[in-house]
Amino acid sequence: GAVVSQHPSRVICKSGTSVKIECRSLDFQATTMFWYRQFPKQSLMLMATSNEGSKATYEQGVEKDKFLINHASLTLSTLTVTSAHPEDSSFYICSALGPPTNEKLFFGSGTQLSVL
Amino acid sequence: KQEVTQIPAALSVPEGENLVLNCSFTDSAIYNLQWFRQDPGKGLTSLLLIQSSQREQTSGRLNASLDKSSGRSTLYIAASQPGDSATYLCAVLSEKLVFGKGTKLTVNP
Repeated sequence: GAVVSQHPSRVICKSGTSVKIECRSLDFQATTMFWYRQFPKQSLMLMATSNEGSKATYEQGVEKDKFLINHASLTLSTLTVTSAHPEDSSFYICSALGPPTNEKLFFGSGTQLSVL
Repeated sequence: KQEVTQIPAALSVPEGENLVLNCSFTDSAIYNLQWFRQDPGKGLTSLLLIQSSQREQTSGRLNASLDKSSGRSTLYIAASQPGDSATYLCAVLSEKLVFGKGTKLTVNP
C-alpha cells in the first residue's frame, strides 16, 4: 500500500527557534496533504490543507504566519513552526490523499514536538 | 506493536437504520481512542474522543464505547441518514497514533 513518511519523529527545541517537519509520499504522488495536531488529552484537529503548487488553506484559529506550509512537489509537504513557544508543544501528523482514487488517506507516523 | 483493525471494511444500510462500527486494538495500554469521519477527498473530522479512563462518549446520534481490557471500541450511529455516508476511522494513541483502515459506510435513501 501507499506509504507516507514523516520526519523527524521527535524533536526538542528551545523557545524562539524554528522547526521544520517533513511529510513525504514515498511511492505515489500526493496533490493534497493535510496537517493535524493533537494536544494531550484532546482530539486530533486539522490545521491546514496543503495543495501542491498553491497556498495552503488554514483552519480557523491556525496562524498561517506561524505554521508555514510548503507543498512544492508532488511528494513533499513541509510544516515549519516558526519561533516556537512551549504552547506549540504538541503531536503533529500529516496525511496524504493517495491511490487509487485520491479519496483514501494515508498517514505519516507523527512528530512529537517539545519546546523548552 | 499496536495494530488497529476495523470491521467491516464496508457497510451499506437503508436510511433510518441503527448501526454499529467496530474497532479492535492489540495493545490495551492506550491513552485514548478517537473516532473520525472522512469524506471522499477530504481530511478527517473528529467525532468522539474517549480517554483511557472512560467507558463511552456521546455526541448527538453518535455513541462510542471503549473496553480497554478486551481491546475493543464500537461506534453506534442511531437513525442513520444519507449524510452519514463517509469512511469512519478509529485511531488509538499509545506510543504512537495508530489508525485503522476504516469502514466505508453508505446510507441509502
